[in-house]
Amino acid sequence: EVQLVESGGGLIQPAGSLRLSCAASGFTVSSNFMSWVRQAPGKGLQWVSVIYIDGRTYYADSVKGRFTISRDMSKNTLFLQMDFLRAEDTAVYYCVKAGPWNHYFDYWGQGTLLTVSS
Amino acid sequence: QSALTQPRSVSGSPGQSVTISCTGTSSDVGGYNSVSWYQQFPGKAPKLMIYDVTKRPSGVPDRFSASKSGNTASLTISGLQAEDEADYYCYSYAGSYIWVFGGGTKLTVL
Repeated sequence: EVQLVESGGGLIQPAGSLRLSCAASGFTVSSNFMSWVRQAPGKGLQWVSVIYIDGRTYYADSVKGRFTISRDMSKNTLFLQMDFLRAEDTAVYYCVKAGPWNHYFDYWGQGTLLTVSS
Repeated sequence: QSALTQPRSVSGSPGQSVTISCTGTSSDVGGYNSVSWYQQFPGKAPKLMIYDVTKRPSGVPDRFSASKSGNTASLTISGLQAEDEADYYCYSYAGSYIWVFGGGTKLTVL
């Protein structure tokens, strides 16, 4: 059974840094396209970042240069390093297993809440 | 990276059919056969309902169907049931390694 369990969210001050983790089971992270999707309180979904099977990474313009997606093959875990955080980054962050070329998301984690506030 | 355009809300009575539109441009919806649709209940993670424009994952009722014409994709729910009341989002590749969601549509079952 595919499972995705995020952790690492919390309250952080503006300009701070935080790393989200997503422990996967039931499949191999490095053999799949993996993304992060976020949802601000009361708002819609926003794609944030993807890591391809070959290791290439891509980001939404709003986080480019501040966020870094990565994976640990030995731990079968996906990460999102978030630096220079802003209030507008406040959201529930979902770890998602993507279909080929990130064209759809077939499994979602339960989400972890990040709040950026002073 | 503009969001795809969806109606903010749609409604229908049990047994009826409703259609949710997702309008983009030739650079996203119209340019690729990569539209997918998600159902989300309050406080829950989204669930994949349709992928590759028209395909239904196993376990999704065949009451859910989808199509695309030009720059607009559509999700149709036939035989509406109370349990279908949720938020629905479309999603598409937008080229240049950018992906976009629609703004979301709240479906109310009257």
